[in-house]
Amino acid sequence: GQNIDQPTEMTATEGAIVQINCTYQTSGFNGLFWYQQHAGEAPTFLSYNVLDGLEEKGRFSSFLSRSKGYSYLLLKELQMKDSASYLCAVRDGGGFKTIFGAGTRLFVKA
Amino acid sequence: DAGVTQSPTHLIKTRGQQVTLRCSPKSGHDTVSWYQQALGQGPQFIFQYYEEEERQRGNFPDRFSGHQFPNYSSELNVNALLLGDSALYLCASSLRGSVAFFGQGTRLTVV
Repeated sequence: GQNIDQPTEMTATEGAIVQINCTYQTSGFNGLFWYQQHAGEAPTFLSYNVLDGLEEKGRFSSFLSRSKGYSYLLLKELQMKDSASYLCAVRDGGGFKTIFGAGTRLFVKA
Repeated sequence: DAGVTQSPTHLIKTRGQQVTLRCSPKSGHDTVSWYQQALGQGPQFIFQYYEEEERQRGNFPDRFSGHQFPNYSSELNVNALLLGDSALYLCASSLRGSVAFFGQGTRLTVV
């Protein structure tokens, strides 16, 4: 079957660093995405990994290991506005269907 | 440059009715995917349209159907609505295999 697992909730302190893990089992692989979704809003694109390694974009970095079926999203210098759900998603082998995890709700406290 | 736009933003329907949701993709995008997102869950893939054809479908019954027009806009139709169809319906557009960008969604409530 196809499955994406990520923690349900995480709490971190403003200014700190947090790592959100994602493991996946899918029918083939054509890239992994991270999206941020604030309550009541649409998901917004954060990062895309298709090869192993680390992709850095400002305060956000994403890592992928295809052999382990594993990714993480790293958020640095946390701000209150980073409180949101973070969705891990994998595009399957066909290249058309993207499967989403249930999301990790991140709470940033002062 | 307008992003992905969806209409309406909110909708209330009665069980058994039919509903049509609309999506205009981001300028330059030719592929539209539809998702259903229940509260507290991740988006679930319904289907994807490219060149006016349904290219792939998720695990949704035939009550869910769609269409893509020559200008790449798309509609999602749901027949015989059930209470369980209440959700946020998201449209995402992309240029072929590139990153998908989401619209703000349509909140459907079935009573």
